[in-house]
Amino acid sequence: GENVEQHPSTLSVQEGDSAVIKCTYSDSASNYFPWYKQELGKRPQLIIDIRSNVGEKKDQRIAVTLNKTAKHFSLHITETQPEDSAVYFCAASMPGNTGKLIFGQGTTLQVKP
Amino acid sequence: NAGVMQNPRHLVRRRGQEARLRCSPVKGHSHVYWYRQLPEEGLKFMVYLQKENIIDESGMPKERFSAEFPKEGPSILRIQQVVRGDSAAYFCASSPDRGEAFFGQGTRLTVV
Repeated sequence: GENVEQHPSTLSVQEGDSAVIKCTYSDSASNYFPWYKQELGKRPQLIIDIRSNVGEKKDQRIAVTLNKTAKHFSLHITETQPEDSAVYFCAASMPGNTGKLIFGQGTTLQVKP
Repeated sequence: NAGVMQNPRHLVRRRGQEARLRCSPVKGHSHVYWYRQLPEEGLKFMVYLQKENIIDESGMPKERFSAEFPKEGPSILRIQQVVRGDSAAYFCASSPDRGEAFFGQGTRLTVV
C-alpha cells in the first residue's frame, strides 16, 4: 500500500532563514498532496496543496514543489517567523479518488527568534 | 462558517467502558473521514463514510471499533471495551468532494 516518508523529523532554524521539509511517496497513482500545520493540541490546518498536474505552487512565503518522476514533494517556507513553529505533516492521496490521505510522520519546526 | 465540530474535546474512560466520539461535518459536506493520532506521530486513516454508507474501513480495527454516518445527525465513532492502547487523539475530517479535507479539533481519549 501507499507509504509516505517525511524528513527531517525535527528542524530548527533562525528567524528569517528558510525551512525545507521533504516527503516521498510510494504509489505513482497518488495525485493530491496537501501539507498541514498542527500547533500543539490543535487541529491540523491545511496550508498548501498541490495536484499531480502541477510542478510547483506558491502562496506568499510558502511553496510546494512536486517531482512525479521521483515521487518526491517538498515544502519550502521562506523568511521564517516564530509563529511558523509547529508540526508540519505532508500527505498523499490514496489511489481510487476516495479522498483518503496517507500522512507522513511529521516535522517539528522550531523558529528561533 | 461553522467548521467541523467534534465532541467531546476530551474524554476519559476506564478500561472496559465504551467511548462515543461525535463529528458534525461542515454543512453540505457529505464525505467524512476519521483519523487516529498517537502522541508524536502522524495521523492514521481509520474509516471513510458517506451518508448512511461505510465506503472504506480498511484502517479500523475489526474488533471493538465501529463507525456510522446516519442520514440525520453527526457521524459517530464507537469504541467498545476500551483498552489503554486506545488512548489517542481522534480527528474527524470532512470534504465536499473527496479533495481538500477540513479537520475538526479532535477528541482526546484517555483510557485509565
